[in-house]
Amino acid sequence: EAQVTQNPRYLITVTGKKLTVTCSQNMNHEYMSWYRQDPGLGLRQIYYSMNVEATDKGDVPEGYKVSRKEKRNFPLILESPSPNQTSLYFCASSSPLKGSGANVLTFGAGSRLTVL
Amino acid sequence: AQKVTQAQTEISVVEKEDVTLDCVYETRDTTYYLFWYKQPPSGELVFLIRRNSFDEQNEISGRYSWNFQKSTSSFNFTITASQVVDSAVYFCALRRYPGSGGSNYKLTFGKGTLLTVNP
Repeated sequence: EAQVTQNPRYLITVTGKKLTVTCSQNMNHEYMSWYRQDPGLGLRQIYYSMNVEATDKGDVPEGYKVSRKEKRNFPLILESPSPNQTSLYFCASSSPLKGSGANVLTFGAGSRLTVL
Repeated sequence: AQKVTQAQTEISVVEKEDVTLDCVYETRDTTYYLFWYKQPPSGELVFLIRRNSFDEQNEISGRYSWNFQKSTSSFNFTITASQVVDSAVYFCALRRYPGSGGSNYKLTFGKGTLLTVNP
């Protein structure tokens, strides 16, 4: 089944304890991206990647890092989490190729992170 | 800059009523994509439809229909004969067309409309 898989789905952590949210897709998509969803603010892009070793900042990158060493994986790293990073996080991928599914972002199921 | 506005924050209807969710967008691009996503209470984001800016044909899929009007920058979504399972947050989104310039083909989302369908 074509999908984007995120882990963990739920996590409660404490301020300053480094954590990584993994994201993997099995659709051979070039483009991958991370979003966070917050009440009243909607969905905002954190980072994106056009392909392997090609990452760049989105609208709210502060406090986050990403890497793209393999096409299928795009982990989100919080080096020193703070309470304002408590949020629902989504990873997504898409392909720019032509066709009915082109440019449709497929989202993972979401990772709910709480930083105490 | 791109912007998507969903003026209706919450809508409540009774089952079998028709309901229209409004979406107005702003972009300087001449070609772009428009989307609708559904977020049920379980939290995942489910793709519903993609529309190319150069294709203004309206689309119907079962009880769902979409009305795209480029002249008014609107892409409205209608659910006919609503059902309780339609209860969700619905997001309208805009994405640049590849080759438009730049490298970030991010989805710009509206704030969403919470639809509650009561039995």
